Amino acid sequence: QKEVEQNSGPLSVPEGAIASLNCTYSDRGSQSFFWYRQYSGKSPELIMFIYSNGDKEDGRFTAQLNKASQYVSLLIRDSQPSDSATYLCAVREYSGAGSYQLTFGKGTKLSVIP
Amino acid sequence: ETGVTQTPRHLVMGMTNKKSLKCEQHLGHNAMYWYKQSAKKPLELMFVYNFKEQTENNSVPSRFSPECPNSSHLFLHLHTLQPEDSALYLCASSQEGAGGPGETQYFGPGTRLLVL
Repeated sequence: QKEVEQNSGPLSVPEGAIASLNCTYSDRGSQSFFWYRQYSGKSPELIMFIYSNGDKEDGRFTAQLNKASQYVSLLIRDSQPSDSATYLCAVREYSGAGSYQLTFGKGTKLSVIP
Repeated sequence: ETGVTQTPRHLVMGMTNKKSLKCEQHLGHNAMYWYKQSAKKPLELMFVYNFKEQTENNSVPSRFSPECPNSSHLFLHLHTLQPEDSALYLCASSQEGAGGPGETQYFGPGTRLLVL
């Protein structure tokens, strides 16, 4: 059973601080990793993806990947109250017969305190 | 319309009703997905269609019946549902085979389903 694990939180950080969200995965062969943000009552929206070991930056967001440790993280710099949401980690995995699927973690709820 | 749309946005049905959820993607993608999202559980993949052919059926009860008439439209037919089927049903699409970021899944707004 392929698993994606996230701390469910809630993670509370003060406005302007760095929020660090973590995710581990069980399938060592996984190649692609995605972070989605989901506001309460809304659908998930893509924040960023990462494929290579190391860091990838996009504005206030930085994704970090360590395939040897099977670990991916998302850093949010200068956190804003509007960043308060649930963050979903998703891992793209081969499911057989030429098909791939995303396996999602349960999500980490982030609360940014003004 | 842009992106992925879903109708209806909210649905209340009795256990003996038959209803259908509709999804349409305007992104030119070749793969579409149905997910179920329940409280305190991760997103559960239900069905995958790739080039209109069903490629995944993750042990979903037969009371859920998907239909994909073309690569832009996806339906989920519901009949004799149970109260535990109440959840947010999400549709997504992607361009499989594009490689890299092109294979990102994009979600519709979802249908909030309540089974009484």
